[in-house]
Amino acid sequence: GAVVSQHPSWVICKSGTSVKIECRSLDFQATTMFWYRQFPKQSLMLMATSNEGSKATYEQGVEKDKFLINHASLTLSTLTVTSAHPEDSSFYICSARADRPNQPQHFGDGTRLSIL
Amino acid sequence: SQQGEEDPQALSIQEGENATMNCSYKTSINNLQWYRQNSGRGLVHLILIRSNEREKHSGRLRVTLDTSKKSSSLLITASRAADTASYFCATDTGNTGKLIFGQGTTLQVKP
Repeated sequence: GAVVSQHPSWVICKSGTSVKIECRSLDFQATTMFWYRQFPKQSLMLMATSNEGSKATYEQGVEKDKFLINHASLTLSTLTVTSAHPEDSSFYICSARADRPNQPQHFGDGTRLSIL
Repeated sequence: SQQGEEDPQALSIQEGENATMNCSYKTSINNLQWYRQNSGRGLVHLILIRSNEREKHSGRLRVTLDTSKKSSSLLITASRAADTASYFCATDTGNTGKLIFGQGTTLQVKP
């Protein structure tokens, strides 16, 4: 069964709406979670590293104020796309890894975001 | 930014044949991981190979790692139509667990 749950699986909303995506690790505690963005027929692009109890670490070129990340517990990270516009439409995927070295990451099923 | 290249970008084979995908990377690594992604879904972990390992098997999957050449390969033997998916390699280069993904190989297995 899934060890990382991502919700919702798809969202369609109007431009200007803020959208929150949740990522939960079900079987383990994850101090660190990761958020990726994927465009059609392309690879995953890491957006940010979500750190429990502290600020997220964003990759170069990713707007912190646009993509708000909160990691309030060891099993939950949220990504909020603020004031979303059509160019934010994409497939967003989260992952989590158990807090031990050389462990695989477990991925959620992704969220398809469509901004009209 | 992408860590490296995957080759080929696309591969089409008949059921029963073997499929080989290659991955090259640029920096030293802690481990290298292979993932599968079915269309519109999240990624499924296949195999993790540590930097001090050279080969690893899991069922019909065989992964090799050559750190001197900074390359890895994924072999799927006796392929099935259900193996049709995109396959990605990803490198873990530091203590944060952050993964850098290759560009992926799209595999089509024809029944």
